[in-house]
Amino acid sequence: AQSVTQPDIHITVSEGASLELRCNYSYGATPYLFWYVQSPGQGLQLLLKYFSGDTLVQGIKGFEAEFKRSQSSFNLRKPSVHWSDAAEYFCAVVGFGNFNKFYFGSGTKLNVKP
Amino acid sequence: GAVVSQHPSWVICKSGTSVKIECRSLDFQATTMFWYRQFPKQSLMLMATSNEGSKATYEQGVEKDKFLINHASLTLSTLTVTSAHPEDSSFYICSALEKGISSYNEQFFGPGTRLTVL
Repeated sequence: AQSVTQPDIHITVSEGASLELRCNYSYGATPYLFWYVQSPGQGLQLLLKYFSGDTLVQGIKGFEAEFKRSQSSFNLRKPSVHWSDAAEYFCAVVGFGNFNKFYFGSGTKLNVKP
Repeated sequence: GAVVSQHPSWVICKSGTSVKIECRSLDFQATTMFWYRQFPKQSLMLMATSNEGSKATYEQGVEKDKFLINHASLTLSTLTVTSAHPEDSSFYICSALEKGISSYNEQFFGPGTRLTVL
């Protein structure tokens, strides 16, 4: 069965520092992978997605993620964090052939220190 | 971008009452909408898939008689929590798939509804 693990519940970084949020998935075939961000009172916004091809994916707001099949990981990175990046981040996987069914990780809450 | 709204954003009700939550696609037509439930510090869990003009498809373990879903138009789906109990307290999020767009493209999410049952 598909599952997604985000090992870090909370992360605090200083503004301007680099960021990496971890995501590990469990899926028997090639997954479709997503990162979403949720600000308080807001819906989930898509940051980036990976379907195939180049394993380094660029997204909005300066985020990128790298798909590593050997590690079953899809970690989200940003070289320099801004205070406005403080939010909750969710990794999700969709199985080929059942595109409607998203499996979400439990989320990582990012705090940004001034 | 596509916008999905939910109403109400939060609701408090007494045990035994029913609560209706609306999910609307504001600037696009959605043939398919999804309802999720999110417990504190946990994942979003898909409850059901709602298709316009047909019965919803519920995930295993979700009581369809308790969580009534209606998708009567291309812009509106409703979730009714019947005879709510404190264990139904949760954050309910809907998402919508734009008509004609492949399902693996993008789901647009609403801001969620916080339900508290006393």
